[in-house]
Amino acid sequence: DTAVSQTPKYLVTQMGNDKSIKCEQNLGHDTMYWYKQDSKKFLKIMFSYNNKELIINETVPNRFSPKSPDKAHLNLHINSLELGDSAVYFCASSQKFPTPSSSYEQYFGPGTRLTVT
Amino acid sequence: RKEVEQDPGPFNVPEGATVAFNCTYSNSASQSFFWYRQDCRKEPKLLMSVYSSGNEDGRFTAQLNRASQYISLLIRDSKLSDSATYLCVVPRGRQLTFGSGTQLTVLP
Repeated sequence: DTAVSQTPKYLVTQMGNDKSIKCEQNLGHDTMYWYKQDSKKFLKIMFSYNNKELIINETVPNRFSPKSPDKAHLNLHINSLELGDSAVYFCASSQKFPTPSSSYEQYFGPGTRLTVT
Repeated sequence: RKEVEQDPGPFNVPEGATVAFNCTYSNSASQSFFWYRQDCRKEPKLLMSVYSSGNEDGRFTAQLNRASQYISLLIRDSKLSDSATYLCVVPRGRQLTFGSGTQLTVLP
């Protein structure tokens, strides 16, 4: 039933470790996203992925790497975790990739709360 | 001006009250706008889309003023279940820019 699912829901790990978050959508959408929501509740786009086209947000450190085995899955791998990576990471999807003249509703997953100690 | 700026809040209102939030945006080329709702420790969910001058859905009314570059959300007859953070969302190119949100608490 769940439209956009993420695993794990909670992730507690130590600095320097490498971890992955998985995301799956069963909506048949073309486009998927990763967002980061920090302690001040700002929701910032990290990556957009439309079929085989990856759009990278230049402010994201290269320790973060998305991987999409197919259109329904978009995983996020994080290398050498830092304290500042602690946040809630949301996966989302939309029917199509936005254009400057049209936007589409985004459906969010439940979030992964990452705590780096 | 920030890309998207919202009323800081928090707004604490009694049940039945009418409350309005404002949001200003800097990108005059934006064509469509959104209000999302985020409950505590949950994911954002679309509340309303705004494509022209405004949109009404039951107790919720969103208005758009392109000349002044602001969007408002009006909630009439507030319910306890309306307590949440309301996020103003403005497209920028191929991305959505989210405001920091306005927290609403409806009190019994």
